[in-house]
Amino acid sequence: DVKVTQSSRYLVKRTGEKVFLECVQDMDHENMFWYRQDPGLGLRLIYFSYDVKMKEKGDIPEGYSVSREKKERFSLILESASTNQTSMYLCASSSRGGLYGYTFGSGTRLTVV
Amino acid sequence: KQEVTQIPAALSVPEGENLVLNCSFTDSAIYNLQWFRQDPGKGLTSLLLIQSSQREQTSGRLNASLDKSSGRSTLYIAASQPGDSATYLCAPTDKLIFGTGTRLQVFP
Repeated sequence: DVKVTQSSRYLVKRTGEKVFLECVQDMDHENMFWYRQDPGLGLRLIYFSYDVKMKEKGDIPEGYSVSREKKERFSLILESASTNQTSMYLCASSSRGGLYGYTFGSGTRLTVV
Repeated sequence: KQEVTQIPAALSVPEGENLVLNCSFTDSAIYNLQWFRQDPGKGLTSLLLIQSSQREQTSGRLNASLDKSSGRSTLYIAASQPGDSATYLCAPTDKLIFGTGTRLQVFP
């Protein structure tokens, strides 16, 4: 069964910490995405990548960066965590052009205190 | 800019009812459309993918239709069960944007 794996289900970090959220897919997908999901705001795109070492800003990239050194791995980095980054973070992947749709990971619930 | 709207935002029904969830999108130039289910605190699980050459897809009690010319997709759930309680989201697969979902509760 194809999978997108997010390294942590729950994470608690302190304000100012550097936080890494890891996402790995085993489907050889070209595209990978990071979304955050907040009540009443739906899914908002943070960053996405169409290929190794490529990255594109989504709708809300401020305070985040990403890294894609290998095709299967897409990391989201919170350079200096703040309480307003407390959220559910969802990673997804898809083949080129989205032909077969998205596959999502199980999510990481991040709390910044 | 593409917008995706889902109506209703919430739905509470007794077990056994047949349901219709609606998804509309402003840009009809989409490729495929995908429906998802999300349980509280979990990721999104794909239910159905309607490819551009198709008008509908079926899986068990679920049937999704797509009318690109009118910018609409509809998810039908037959004979609803309490286990169907979840949030249902739709998304064109090439537009990077999702609907805000329909929160469904089916009570016994």
